[in-house]
Amino acid sequence: DAMVIQNPRYQVTQFGKPVTLSCSQTLNHNVMYWYQQKSSQAPKLLFHYYDKDFNNEADTPDNFQSRRPNTSFCFLDIRSPGLGDAAMYLCATSKGRDYLAKNIQYFGAGTRLSVL
Amino acid sequence: DQQVKQNSPSLSVQEGRISILNCDYTNSMFDYFLWYKKYPAEGPTFLISISSIKDKNEDGRFTVFLNKSAKHLSLHIVPSQPGDSAVYFCAATPRSNTGKLIFGQGTTLQVKP
Repeated sequence: DAMVIQNPRYQVTQFGKPVTLSCSQTLNHNVMYWYQQKSSQAPKLLFHYYDKDFNNEADTPDNFQSRRPNTSFCFLDIRSPGLGDAAMYLCATSKGRDYLAKNIQYFGAGTRLSVL
Repeated sequence: DQQVKQNSPSLSVQEGRISILNCDYTNSMFDYFLWYKKYPAEGPTFLISISSIKDKNEDGRFTVFLNKSAKHLSLHIVPSQPGDSAVYFCAATPRSNTGKLIFGQGTTLQVKP
């Protein structure tokens, strides 16, 4: 089955220790997204890639970076995690620009990040 | 400022009855509205959508209604089934076509047998 896979499902890191979350997709979609969801809050878009074109949200902290080495993989790097960065991180994909008006996104199961 | 709001954190209904989940928005420049469903330990999955130029879209047991004057949409599930128990997110796409989805906080639906 084509899908969006996030690894690991649970990640524990120490305050200030860099951490990388991984997302891969077998859907061959052009667009990949990273969302942050804190408890009982709405998922919030951090950034997205359209192919190799990186689009950062204006309010995404500089502490968050992303890499997309190829179509299938996208990484979320948190350079110096703080306690406030503990959250669920969701990766999603969509087909491409022609579909953006309807923008059906396909989500992974998420990585729950804890910061000690 | 939250542009998409789901004011009811939870809803409980009896199997076979109607479930109505509500969503309000503040921005008139949204192009599409979507509902996503999320089971525990899984990612959200797309359920149904509606264009901002329509006022109703139906797919089987699921119907979404859009009231543009009230900036309100609702998802109706009839009849409700225990397998519908999940978190339901309302989302909207801005007309700027940037690929962005703006989500509400979610409503947890429990359908009791």
